Amino acid sequence: EVQLVESGGGLVQPGRSLRLSCAVSGFTFDDYAMHWVRQVPGKGLEWVSGISWHGINIGYADSVKGRFTISRDNAKNSLFLQMNSLRAEDTAFYYCAKGLYTLHDSLWSWGQGTLVTVSS
Amino acid sequence: QSALTQPASVSGSPGQSISISCTGTSSDVGVYNYVSWYQQHPGKAPKLLIFDVSDRPSGVSHRFSGSKSANTASLTISGLQAEDEADYYCSSYTSSNSQVFGGGTKLTVL
Repeated sequence: EVQLVESGGGLVQPGRSLRLSCAVSGFTFDDYAMHWVRQVPGKGLEWVSGISWHGINIGYADSVKGRFTISRDNAKNSLFLQMNSLRAEDTAFYYCAKGLYTLHDSLWSWGQGTLVTVSS
Repeated sequence: QSALTQPASVSGSPGQSISISCTGTSSDVGVYNYVSWYQQHPGKAPKLLIFDVSDRPSGVSHRFSGSKSANTASLTISGLQAEDEADYYCSSYTSSNSQVFGGGTKLTVL
């Protein structure tokens, strides 16, 4: 069974940093692209970033480009999102999602999300 | 990377069919056949319903179907059931090597 478990969310002040992690199991992690998607409570989904299976092809939403960095550790079956210079508008649930091989593929499995709250 | 345009809400009675539109541009929906649809029930993670415009993952009901014409994709749900009441999101790959979601559509089963 595919499982994705996010962690690292919490309350952080504007301008500070936070690192999210996603631990996966139930599939061969290094065969698949991975993504981060966020959702403000009660609002719609926003794609944040994606990384190909080999980590070479990476994409970001304009809203986070230059502030967020996606990475993966295939040896540890883990996906990360380093979030710097956080803003109030980054407050959201952050979901880790499993794609297929490239960034254009659909998001086939999702975690349950971790809440990031940016507030002073 | 502007969000794709979806109607805020749609409704239908059990047994009826409804369609949800998803309008993009020539930089996303209009140029790529990488349109997906997701279903999200309250408090739950999204679930993939349709990939590559019209393909269904194993286990997804045949009542769900997808199509595309020019810059607009559509999700059709036939034989509406009470459990179909949820939020629905479209997404597309874009020429910026990113993905973009629609604003979401709330489906009410009357």
